[in-house]
Amino acid sequence: NAGVTQTPKFRILKIGQSMTLQCTQDMNHNYMYWYRQDPGMGLKLIYYSVGAGITDKGEVPNGYNVSRSTTEDFPLRLELAAPSQTSVYFCASSYRDQHNEQFFGPGTRLTVL
Amino acid sequence: GQQVMQIPQYQHVQEGEDFTTYCNSSTTLSNIQWYKQRPGGHPVFLIQLVKSGEVKKQKRLTFQFGEAKKNSSLHITATQTTDVGTYFCAGQGAQKLVFGQGTRLTINP
Repeated sequence: NAGVTQTPKFRILKIGQSMTLQCTQDMNHNYMYWYRQDPGMGLKLIYYSVGAGITDKGEVPNGYNVSRSTTEDFPLRLELAAPSQTSVYFCASSYRDQHNEQFFGPGTRLTVL
Repeated sequence: GQQVMQIPQYQHVQEGEDFTTYCNSSTTLSNIQWYKQRPGGHPVFLIQLVKSGEVKKQKRLTFQFGEAKKNSSLHITATQTTDVGTYFCAGQGAQKLVFGQGTRLTINP
């Protein structure tokens, strides 16, 4: 199993550009999450999904959108990128619910200039 | 909303010294999880505590969950250079898992 994979690893965007961060898991996990981690800080939940077709906002959803058309994929869309969105983005998944351990992807380091 | 505070933010120790990080929640938790993130890496699950007063050990690491299920600690005995990284607690409240800010551990060999 590859676990949780994320692409790209690094990206530089200009202000106002948009992009999609890809996340795929091959563990047949129901729950998937997107977090952002600012330098020296903890993890902030952006969006999460409890299964295909179901998504919900986390703590910091503004400026982001998600979709979950399959169990495996949970892309994160940034529209109109802003410097405040410069961060490391982690995708994670867990088997049943948030009471289970979360498996994290390697992260995407995004810089908005 | 639910808040999880972790102290200290940074800790620098000599190799062989002990290390402890503390986690406090503003609300009663159903469980608490601990993760380790190596520099430049991603968080990796260490353990989950569920019961009031629970203590679990993993080799040199000891995890405790408070009696009131609002606080937790991670203690590392005789640190080694492989222990370098940031340790996060994550508290499960009514709904979501909330991460603390983490304690960054650096070690002088």
